[in-house]
Amino acid sequence: DTGVSQDPRHKITKRGQNVTFRCDPISEHNRLYWYRQTLGQGPEFLTYFQNEAQLEKSRLLSDRFSAERPKGSFSTLEIQRTEQGDSAMYLCASSHPFDEQYFGPGTRLTVT
Amino acid sequence: LAKTTQPISMDSYEGQEVNITCSHNNIATNDYITWYQQFPSQGPRFIIQGYKTKVTNEVASLFIPADRKSSTLSLPRVSLSDTAVYYCLRTYFTGGGNKLTFGTGTQLKVEL
Repeated sequence: DTGVSQDPRHKITKRGQNVTFRCDPISEHNRLYWYRQTLGQGPEFLTYFQNEAQLEKSRLLSDRFSAERPKGSFSTLEIQRTEQGDSAMYLCASSHPFDEQYFGPGTRLTVT
Repeated sequence: LAKTTQPISMDSYEGQEVNITCSHNNIATNDYITWYQQFPSQGPRFIIQGYKTKVTNEVASLFIPADRKSSTLSLPRVSLSDTAVYYCLRTYFTGGGNKLTFGTGTQLKVEL
């Protein structure tokens, strides 16, 4: 296994458009996390899944954001009606329970 | 989960030992201390984790005194490739998940 992968690596979109990002975790990891990182700041937690169940969502995750992990493997993060403030790096991580998290390379979103 | 406090930046030269100190005065009994490294445009990478005393792996050492109110990440003989942001985190493992709370980190710059 080559680690956590994310697609696309970069996305440029116009304000108001919808975007969807994909994360493929390390195959045997049942926990999957989404974080958002803006320039000069550390990553901020958005949500996490254990298998297919979404168990926690941050208050940062507005109604325009939705995440899924339908079969407990890959996950998608969708942002509807994007705003310029959504411009950030979106990071995915996976782990075993009670173990360190392995991060993917991130998807950099630019909203124009 | 409260954030930790660490220096904003540090400078060093190749071959030197670098010690980055992190303050976590109100650390809880069940908290571990975890350090991540992040290069530009990449996701964070786990370095080391400990509860108290000293932990050493192939890349770093972590010193946590008995009162656990601070910790020190030690990088022996740094090279240019160690230039990165280093994050100190309190990690609380629960059955419900272990979301990470990042601060702004310490920007380490290594020069020749």
